[in-house]
Order: sequence, then C-alpha cells, then structure tokens
Amino acid sequence: NAGVMQNPRHLVRRRGQEARLRCSPMKGHSHVYWYRQLPEEGLKFMVYLQKENIIDESGMPKERFSAEFPKEGPSILRIQQVVRGDSAAYFCASSPPSGTGNEQFFGPGTRLTVL
Amino acid sequence: SQKIEQNSEALNIQEGKTATLTCNYTNYSPAYLQWYRQDPGRGPVFLLLIRENEKEKRKERLKVTFDTTLKQSLFHITASQPADSATYLCALAGSSNTGKLIFGQGTTLQVKP
Repeated sequence: NAGVMQNPRHLVRRRGQEARLRCSPMKGHSHVYWYRQLPEEGLKFMVYLQKENIIDESGMPKERFSAEFPKEGPSILRIQQVVRGDSAAYFCASSPPSGTGNEQFFGPGTRLTVL
Repeated sequence: SQKIEQNSEALNIQEGKTATLTCNYTNYSPAYLQWYRQDPGRGPVFLLLIRENEKEKRKERLKVTFDTTLKQSLFHITASQPADSATYLCALAGSSNTGKLIFGQGTTLQVKP
C-alpha cells in the first residue's frame, strides 16, 4: 500500500510565476490536509479538504493561494504570482474516512524555492 | 492567543538514558494530542496519540503523559539509541473535529553512542 505521494519533490519558480503542488492520499483515505513549514519553524496548518469540499481553510492566506480535492485525481495546492516568502516545504497529509482524531499520514513534501 | 511550546533547545543525551521532551500549551483545550517524529528532509511520522481523558499511553520504548490541568504533555523515550536522533513534534487538535492539527516548533534530540 503506497504511502502519501507528493510531486514534484522540488520546485523552482521565479517571482510572479504559478506553483502547482500535487498530493495523492493513501488508498482509501478521503481526508487531505496541507501544511507549510518555513525554515527553522514548525508546521503550520493551511487547509483541510474532503472529496470536492473544503472543510477548513482557516490557515490559507487570503490571496494567491487555493486548494482543491476533486472527485477524481490528486489534491492540488495552487500558489499564484509566487513571492520569495512563499519558499518553504509544503507537506500533504491524509487520514481515513473514519473521522478526525486519527493519525495523519504525511507525504515527503514539496520544497518550493522562489528565485 | 493559542500557544504551543516545546523544549526550545536541542536535547543531547547518552545512549541508554531516558529522553524526556516537554510540550506546554496555553489558551487551548485540545481533545487529543499527538506526537510525531521528523527526520531531515522528510515528512513527519506519527508516533502516539493520547486523548484528553487519558493520563498515560505507552508503545514499546515510548511513553506519553497528558496533564490537562497543567496543560502539559511529556514524551519519554527509554533506553534511547542513536537511531532515535530526530526532531519530535507535538500536535494538538481541538474538539471541533476539523482535523486541523496545531504543531509545536519541535525539539531536536541527539543521542550519542
């Protein structure tokens, strides 16, 4: 059973470009979470999604950031018009549909570098 | 505002000793607390979960305590090994059941042979 998959593992963008980060949850998992980890800082919650629904986006910046988890295919975190401050590791996690309160399984992360 | 604090400095111990990591929180009433391990360049890996009505949880060489009065969790690794060297994260979840986890900044543990 493959774990949570994220791609790309490393992404380099110039200021003003768009970044698209993909996350495929573990098989059978319908809950997806995105976290951001800035250098020397802890993980910060961004958004929690279920299939076709955003459940909690309280950690998402108001502008330029969006997330989706379509009925088919991976979850996508999209960052428009990237700035240097967006450089960070972005982690996706998933959990089974038996409800929250379970452990979250994390992917290896996407390391975004904005030049 | 809600705040989670872990041992601010790295913890260095000798192999075979017990490592004790601290997680304190304020302005928060979590329904449960989790501990994760993170190695450099990798995603966190779940270790243990303890609920608000539980005082202690064990798993092999790991033990977690949860004191909701003190607003503190302690994470113990007994008979520590160099392979236990990593960053350990505590994470809190609220009772609203959104699945959102609030992470501490982590404590880096170094076990010397």
